[in-house]
Amino acid sequence: QKEVEQNSGPLSVPEGAIASLNCTYSDRGSQSFFWYRQYSGKSPELIMFIYSNGDKEDGRFTAQLNKASQYVSLLIRDSQPSDSATYLCAVNRGSGTYKYIFGTGTRLKVLA
Amino acid sequence: EAQVTQNPRYLITVTGKKLTVTCSQNMNHEYMSWYRQDPGLGLRQIYYSMNVEVTDKGDVPEGYKVSRKEKRNFPLILESPSPNQTSLYFCASSLKETQYFGPGTRLLVL
Repeated sequence: QKEVEQNSGPLSVPEGAIASLNCTYSDRGSQSFFWYRQYSGKSPELIMFIYSNGDKEDGRFTAQLNKASQYVSLLIRDSQPSDSATYLCAVNRGSGTYKYIFGTGTRLKVLA
Repeated sequence: EAQVTQNPRYLITVTGKKLTVTCSQNMNHEYMSWYRQDPGLGLRQIYYSMNVEVTDKGDVPEGYKVSRKEKRNFPLILESPSPNQTSLYFCASSLKETQYFGPGTRLLVL
């Protein structure tokens, strides 16, 4: 079992719809959770991070964390073609450590 | 402009020929890290550094060395590159949660 798992996709959604990206992790000691966006040929860029159970909203993006289910998701509202990219989920193994484990990413295609 | 720079951006080399990929950041970040990205395997952490002279292994450190003699620089050294080190390499730096990635170095080892 991979430590951080994501469906590779592609996930195709029409423009204006909500895109839902999911990630599961195996280490219950994981403390913080990150979503990165990576355009083809570019470097990853942080969208948002979440520490606590529940939802965290930032503009069109909402991260959801459920530690009991070891599940973190990213919702993108009003999806735009410019959101088409690969979304990487990352987990930090514990407070005070800078060890990060990344999932292999989900490719999102927003259809105009 | 706040940035992480890597050099070279592209490199073709042969097995066993020592090489260094440089990484520099101008944001006074304490934390820096190296990753490699391979199709189907995603982004994997090679080494990281919490501050000057403090480094630790990530998930895939074999075949790599690092040093952190200055806060702004974190070079990645391949003493004897092998074809399985052909990959896309990213350097990153951060102060707290937000990692800023460099543009990447594409390495081909023949």
